Amino acid sequence: GENVEQHPSTLSVQEGDSAVIKCTYSDSASNYFPWYKQELGKGPQLIIDIRSNVGEKKDQRIAVTLNKTAKHFSLHITETQPEDSAVYFCATRGSTLGRLYFGRGTQLTVWP
Amino acid sequence: GAVVSQHPSRVICKSGTSVKIECRSLDFQATTMFWYRQFPKQSLMLMATSNEGSKATYEQGVEKDKFLINHASLTLSTLTVTSAHPEDSSFYICSASPSGRANEQFFGPGTRLTVL
Repeated sequence: GENVEQHPSTLSVQEGDSAVIKCTYSDSASNYFPWYKQELGKGPQLIIDIRSNVGEKKDQRIAVTLNKTAKHFSLHITETQPEDSAVYFCATRGSTLGRLYFGRGTQLTVWP
Repeated sequence: GAVVSQHPSRVICKSGTSVKIECRSLDFQATTMFWYRQFPKQSLMLMATSNEGSKATYEQGVEKDKFLINHASLTLSTLTVTSAHPEDSSFYICSASPSGRANEQFFGPGTRLTVL
């Protein structure tokens, strides 16, 4: 099955700085790459996603880049704010219809 | 749009009892719903995939007789934890994929189960 690795496991940044979280995957058939934000005690919330026919996607302060050749994708958050503090999960959707494979998560802390 | 609700948000029960958790897609129809379990500071572990009107597909190691899943309509799936024990205490989260948009999954807020 798919193997998704996510780094770093924890990330601390100063408010206003950028944060980058990286994921690699093993299944070359993966074609959908969502990112989820999970606040304490809540369910994951989809924040951005990218499909395999696109290399980059941006939504205000959040962007995702995909390198299919190298099988890695990254989440970029610019101008971080304290409310960005949460656990972020990357995921991939592979050949099994609908099933997502998740990374282990990154605890992002933004210090004011 | 794409809102998923879960009920209850938290439940405490005695060992040996059964607990039912509901997952509803509020503003879309979901052909497929997923049930996950999450331990503290860990990632989401897929338990089973349910398709409306058919039997759920369970992941390896998940007891189907213990975790009963019913997906009777396009907006409702239920997970029943039967004969619960303290080791079943966890955060249970459902997700739903809108019909025709199988790539996307929208998650519910989760249910915190504590078995005494």
